[in-house]
Amino acid sequence: QKEVEQNSGPLSVPEGAIASLNCTYSDRGSQSFFWYRQYSGKSPELIMSIYSNGDKEDGRFTAQLNKASQYVSLLIRDSQPSDSATYLCRGGGSYIPTFGRGTSLIVHP
Amino acid sequence: DVKVTQSSRYLVKRTGEKVFLECVQDMDHENMFWYRQDPGLGLRLIYFSYDVKMKEKGDIPEGYSVSREKKERFSLILESASTNQTSMYLCASSLLAEVPEQFFGPGTRLTVL
Repeated sequence: QKEVEQNSGPLSVPEGAIASLNCTYSDRGSQSFFWYRQYSGKSPELIMSIYSNGDKEDGRFTAQLNKASQYVSLLIRDSQPSDSATYLCRGGGSYIPTFGRGTSLIVHP
Repeated sequence: DVKVTQSSRYLVKRTGEKVFLECVQDMDHENMFWYRQDPGLGLRLIYFSYDVKMKEKGDIPEGYSVSREKKERFSLILESASTNQTSMYLCASSLLAEVPEQFFGPGTRLTVL
C-alpha cells in the first residue's frame, strides 16, 4: 500500500511565526507532490506543487522535497489567522493520487 | 480558471433511496475522480475515470457506481443509500498526465436518514 503520512495536529503557532508542516511517503516512485489547503466545510484548494529535490518558494509559502529521505514539507512564513486550516499533502508515482489525512493548523493572534 | 461544479451543496435522503451526485468540469480534463471525506479518515477515493465510458474502482467502491457518458460529466450513484454513506462527497478533475494537478468541486454534504 503506497502511503502518505501526516501528523494530524493540531499545530498551533502564534501570528507572525513560521508554521512547519511535514509529510512522509512510502512510494519511492513518487515524482511530484502537492499541498492543498482546506478550510472547514470547504473543498481542498491547491496551493503548492513541487517536482524536484530542493525548495520552491511562492510568496509566504515554501515547499521542500527530499526524495532520499522521502520527506516533503511546507513552510508558511509570517503566519496569519487566515492560514488556519487543514493542509493536505498529496503524492503519487503513478496515475492514482495518494493523499495524507491532513494536518490541522491553528494560527492564534 | 478551472471550474468544477457539483449539482448540490447539501442533500438529505432516506435509507434505501437511489441517489445521484453530478459533477461537471469545463476545462476539457480527461481525468475525473469521486472522493468521500470523513473526519479522521481523510480523502478516500471511490471511483475514477480516464475517459468517456471508462471507470476504475478506487479504494472504497462498495455501495457506489459511476457513469461517464460525456467527457465533462461524471456521476456518482448510490444504488440504495445507507446511513453509513452520510459524508462529504468531493469531485475532482485533472489533465491526463503522470501526476497531474487535481482541481476540486465545492463538495456535496450528503445526509442519509
